[in-house]
Amino acid sequence: GNSVTQMEGPVTLSEEAFLTINCTYTATGYPSLFWYVQYPGEGLQLLLKATKADDKGSNKGFEATYRKETTSFHLEKGSVQVSDSAVYFCALSDPQAGTALIFGKGTTLSVSS
Amino acid sequence: DADVTQTPRNRITKTGKRIMLECSQTKGHDRMYWYRQDPGLGLRLIYYSFDVKDINKGEISDGYSVSRQAQAKFSLSLESAIPNQTALYFCATSDGTWSSYNEQFFGPGTRLTVL
Repeated sequence: GNSVTQMEGPVTLSEEAFLTINCTYTATGYPSLFWYVQYPGEGLQLLLKATKADDKGSNKGFEATYRKETTSFHLEKGSVQVSDSAVYFCALSDPQAGTALIFGKGTTLSVSS
Repeated sequence: DADVTQTPRNRITKTGKRIMLECSQTKGHDRMYWYRQDPGLGLRLIYYSFDVKDINKGEISDGYSVSRQAQAKFSLSLESAIPNQTALYFCATSDGTWSSYNEQFFGPGTRLTVL
């Protein structure tokens, strides 16, 4: 079945540090991949997405590339800010499965100044 | 105004009580979902509905029921609440078209505590 595995947190960084949050997936079809972000006390917001192999999603300085050969969709940012502190979820959608998004367990990022 | 709203935002109830969580959306989407979030477990799907007449169980539907009263409204009920249903509950919507790739839009969440 489909599944998403992302690195466990918490991840603690200083401001302006480089961020990587690893995400790998298992899917039977050709999924679309997403990163969602949850700021404290809020619901989930779409951060970026990629819908086919080799696509790169980007938003707010974050990037992730859909790597079919390694079944990965790692999230990166070159210089994090305190305001990036949040929980990040990797998710996939498999149109052939006809169901909702499948989420990883989430990675908490804490950035200090 | 928010596109996806949930009421109540916070609720404390007692074991054995019936409780309903409500979700409304103004996005015009056909598909609606209920998820539960627990620390360290991510989001897990409880129920989903692709239209008013189509309701499906998700990964963890036991102890829950739903009602799709209209395209814009999807309610989640706990018939007899128990403490391990204490969690953060999210409603989400999507338009279900191929071009959307099932991108989902989330409400702000309902924090439920069962004593």
